[in-house]
Amino acid sequence: GQSLEQPSEVTAVEGAIVQINCTYQTSGFYGLSWYQQHDGGAPTFLSYNALDGLEETGRFSSFLSRSDSYGYLLLQELQMKDSASYFCAVRGYGGSQGNLIFGKGTKLSVKP
Amino acid sequence: DVKVTQSSRYLVKRTGEKVFLECVQDMDHENMFWYRQDPGLGLRLIYFSYDVKMKEKGDIPEGYSVSREKKERFSLILESASTNQTSMYLCASSRGTNNYEQYFGPGTRLTVT
Repeated sequence: GQSLEQPSEVTAVEGAIVQINCTYQTSGFYGLSWYQQHDGGAPTFLSYNALDGLEETGRFSSFLSRSDSYGYLLLQELQMKDSASYFCAVRGYGGSQGNLIFGKGTKLSVKP
Repeated sequence: DVKVTQSSRYLVKRTGEKVFLECVQDMDHENMFWYRQDPGLGLRLIYFSYDVKMKEKGDIPEGYSVSREKKERFSLILESASTNQTSMYLCASSRGTNNYEQYFGPGTRLTVT
């Protein structure tokens, strides 16, 4: 079977750093994406890792270790607007170009 | 700026009705997808299409069909709506082989009574 595991909820305070982990077990693997979804909103793309290592985009970074089937999203200098759900998604072997398999999402609550 | 639009934000239908959900993207993307999102289950792929007239089943296609007659438009059809199809339906599109970066529409919250 195919599975992605991520924590269901995380709480942190403004200005802090938070890490959202994602472990996966899939039949194929091209890379790991992260999406953000605010309540009532559409998911929006944050980052993609195809190779091992850290990718940084402003306050957000994403890490991948293919050998450990593990990745994480790191959010620094947390702001209230970062309160949202975060989904990891594996680009697997489904379809001719690799469909996304989504995790169940992590709800991040940022407190003042 | 990529824009994906969906025909309705909220929809209420009766059991047994035929339901059409429309999705249009304006960025000339080759790939289009239909997902449903349920609390605690994440996003699950229903159908996808990599080209006009082409369609493939995703992970949960039962009870659904799709149509892609034009590149920019991808329709999801519930042949005979049932209460277990009450859900949020999200359409997405992506360019070429960049399936890892998908652009989502605002979603249609469908309630089947």
